Amino acid sequence: QKEVEQNSGPLSVPEGAIASLNCTYSDRGSQSFFWYRQYSGKSPELIMFIYSNGDKEDGRFTAQLNKASQYVSLLIRDSQPSDSATYLCAVALGGGNYQLIWGAGTKLIIKP
Amino acid sequence: EADIYQTPRYLVIGTGKKITLECSQTMGHDKMYWYQQDPGMELHLIHYSYGVNSTEKGDLSSESTVSRIRTEHFPLTLESARPSHTSQYLCASSERGTGQETQYFGPGTRLLVL
Repeated sequence: QKEVEQNSGPLSVPEGAIASLNCTYSDRGSQSFFWYRQYSGKSPELIMFIYSNGDKEDGRFTAQLNKASQYVSLLIRDSQPSDSATYLCAVALGGGNYQLIWGAGTKLIIKP
Repeated sequence: EADIYQTPRYLVIGTGKKITLECSQTMGHDKMYWYQQDPGMELHLIHYSYGVNSTEKGDLSSESTVSRIRTEHFPLTLESARPSHTSQYLCASSERGTGQETQYFGPGTRLLVL
């Protein structure tokens, strides 16, 4: 059973601070890693994806991938109340399998 | 960014009715997916398709069926709705090719079966 694990939260972070969200996965063959944001009652929207070990930055968001330790994280700098949402981690196995394995999500609350 | 549409957005229906949830995308994506998600809960894959005339069941056992006659269209049908089918249904699509697993979601259909 291939798994993606996330702390369900809620994770409470003061406005302006860095929010750190973590995700671990079980399949060492996993090739692509995704972070989605989902507001309550809405559908998931892609924040960013990462394929290679290391950091990938996009505005206030940084994804970090460590394949040896099988974890991927998302940092949100200068957190805003509008960042309050559930963050979903997803993993693609690659090799012709196009499905994503989804984590249950971490609920993030940014306190003004 | 993909354009993917779902109708209806909200549906209230009685037990035993047949319903079809529509999903269409205009990006020519070959892969399409249906997920079920209860409030505050995780996504569950119920059906997917890798192309025309290709459909598979996902991880979550479902009493629904799907069809893929055209690339852009992936409807989901419940032959006899039950209260246990009350949930949000999300349609997604992704492109062809290795490294193109990014899924783009439609706005969802909220279904309430009375």
